[in-house]
Amino acid sequence: QVQLQESGPGLVKPSETLSLTCTVSGASVSSGSYYWNWIRQPPGRGLEWIGYTQYSGTTNYNPSLKSRVTISPDTAKNQFSLKLTSVTAADTAVYYCARADTSGSYRNWFDPWGQGTLVSVSS
Amino acid sequence: EIVLTQSPATLSLSPGEGATLSCRASQSVSRYLGWYQQKPGQAPRLLIYDASNRATGIPARFSGSGSGTDFTLTISSLEPEDFAVYFCQQRYLWPLTFGGGTKVEI
Repeated sequence: QVQLQESGPGLVKPSETLSLTCTVSGASVSSGSYYWNWIRQPPGRGLEWIGYTQYSGTTNYNPSLKSRVTISPDTAKNQFSLKLTSVTAADTAVYYCARADTSGSYRNWFDPWGQGTLVSVSS
Repeated sequence: EIVLTQSPATLSLSPGEGATLSCRASQSVSRYLGWYQQKPGQAPRLLIYDASNRATGIPARFSGSGSGTDFTLTISSLEPEDFAVYFCQQRYLWPLTFGGGTKVEI
């Protein structure tokens, strides 16, 4: 059974960097069969795809966040991480990590997801 | 980017009734449209992918249809556990985008 678990600070100050980690169990971040994604959801609102990394370090980001985002794998720890710089209150959201297949029937569908972690941006 | 518009925003129904949810894309996404269910405090769960395919373990009362720009999620007979928010998502073009959601409430 594949499980993903987000971790990181729940409170970040404006202009600072948001850093989160997703720990994967039951699957390998080193596999070339998956994209490892971050998705966020502001309170009471819809979902926004942030971007993904592959085991090789190949990335793809949402243009709306591209200038501030870095997603990278840590294959030794079977984790991947998100860094979002220069945060503002608009970055307050529940952040989810999720897996997507790179090919086949489940290509680019998010399954499974982590439980999510709320990050608030406030001084 | 492709904008997905879901309607209605809220659907008020009773257990046992059928539900019809709509998702409209700002341009054609072929059949590359999926649906997720999200319950309060939980992560979304994939229900339907590529317009009409049920994900693993999803009950047959959930069905999807459509192609191009207009898609429908149908729940044939609502169970108590089906009252939730439903999101559509397209995988036709990057960036992947989601609709704003439809809340199915009792």
